[in-house]
Amino acid sequence: DQQVKQNSPSLSVQEGRISILNCDYTNSMFDYFLWYKKYPAEGPTFLISISSIKDKNEDGRFTVFLNKSAKHLSLHIVPSQPGDSAVYFCAASAGAAGNKLTFGGGTRVLVKP
Amino acid sequence: ETGVTQTPRHLVMGMTNKKSLKCEQHLGHNAMYWYKQSAKKPLELMFVYNFKEQTENNSVPSRFSPECPNSSHLFLHLHTLQPEDSALYLCASSLGESSYNEQFFGPGTRLTVL
Repeated sequence: DQQVKQNSPSLSVQEGRISILNCDYTNSMFDYFLWYKKYPAEGPTFLISISSIKDKNEDGRFTVFLNKSAKHLSLHIVPSQPGDSAVYFCAASAGAAGNKLTFGGGTRVLVKP
Repeated sequence: ETGVTQTPRHLVMGMTNKKSLKCEQHLGHNAMYWYKQSAKKPLELMFVYNFKEQTENNSVPSRFSPECPNSSHLFLHLHTLQPEDSALYLCASSLGESSYNEQFFGPGTRLTVL
């Protein structure tokens, strides 16, 4: 059973608008959450993370929101740019489990010019 | 070379072949990982090595055999694979064992088992 789920396999958005990617998790032991971005023929690259002691973390155009009670996190990209077109993976870890990451299935984002 | 490199980038093998995937990191990290990404499935953690010691085997079949001779190199030895083992195999590294250490990924090896 998947402990981290990204229920939207794809998302299409106009350049300049906001992209919102969602991620749900089931394991209440998860206390650290990450977003990775992947271009074709490349490995995933780290984008942004958030600890469970926070509910928001912002880095430039990227903001991650965490709702622990709902076991839900989201990634906002504002404004979206064509270079943001990629697959985005949500991942989670439980501090006690060390460096094991559990990934979601990914959301493919297409930013149209 | 910088970052995490993987060779070969593509591999086609028969079910009776023996092959190895190689990963090398030039980041001075102490933890290395093998992941598998099958079609339509999330990335699955296979093995974790911390300071050359295997600390995680995520119920991986014995036809996959990892080797970590030093903190910079990681191998995945393959033998008698099945067609369902066809997938993208990704290597990653991180500074240490903490879950707060960002993992850096290589480009992956696309494996096809005939």
